[in-house]
Amino acid sequence: GAGVSQSPRYKVTKRGQDVALRCDPISGHVSLYWYRQALGQGPEFLTYFNYEAQQDKSGLPNDRFSAERPEGSISTLTIQRTEQRDSAMYRCASSPDFGVAGSGANVLTFGAGSRLTVL
Amino acid sequence: AQKVTQAQTEISVVEKEDVTLDCVYETRDTTYYLFWYKQPPSGELVFLIRRNSFDEQNEISGRYSWNFQKSTSSFNFTITASQVVDSAVYFCALSEAFQNFGNEKLTFGTGTRLTIIP
Repeated sequence: GAGVSQSPRYKVTKRGQDVALRCDPISGHVSLYWYRQALGQGPEFLTYFNYEAQQDKSGLPNDRFSAERPEGSISTLTIQRTEQRDSAMYRCASSPDFGVAGSGANVLTFGAGSRLTVL
Repeated sequence: AQKVTQAQTEISVVEKEDVTLDCVYETRDTTYYLFWYKQPPSGELVFLIRRNSFDEQNEISGRYSWNFQKSTSSFNFTITASQVVDSAVYFCALSEAFQNFGNEKLTFGTGTRLTIIP
């Protein structure tokens, strides 16, 4: 697609429920990232994929959080047994390739985010 | 560990005034990248600029300019002749090179909310 698409845009759920957030990256983009942004804070890294391989999940807060990208395109971030502290904006971003030798130079294109509210 | 500090939480200026947003960073790497992103009221994150640690030349793009000073670990952003459409939250971010191949993990500051008063 033309941009990074995330769904749902807004999700309200009760504590204890599972939620799945979807990200459809820009067509052809190799790398996909998940970030979480609490109110009044900057985005914080959660995890990222190159193609279908999850390269780094060091930012996932605990084992209730998981992500997958089975075919190297669409990704799903799943939060099990949600808690109120999980309430945040969850942002997905994609980039065209690995960058130049891990240079950190790739520019991420972010989606509009999925705002999760856990009651 | 890397860290980005945006000490200014909120700034308000009258339209047409110039305004500078401060960004100070910490990193152990000698090679790194610095970014600015804009988050308008609609909520998306919009890329503004990327600068690598070897290029200390200031950059100007229209009314926007960036001042990178390695000696003070700062990467400040100035908007000249501000307009109401500049109202947004602005984030500074850092990416350390070569930490992990292909990992564009960004460390963001907490953002500065800029309000331009008509």
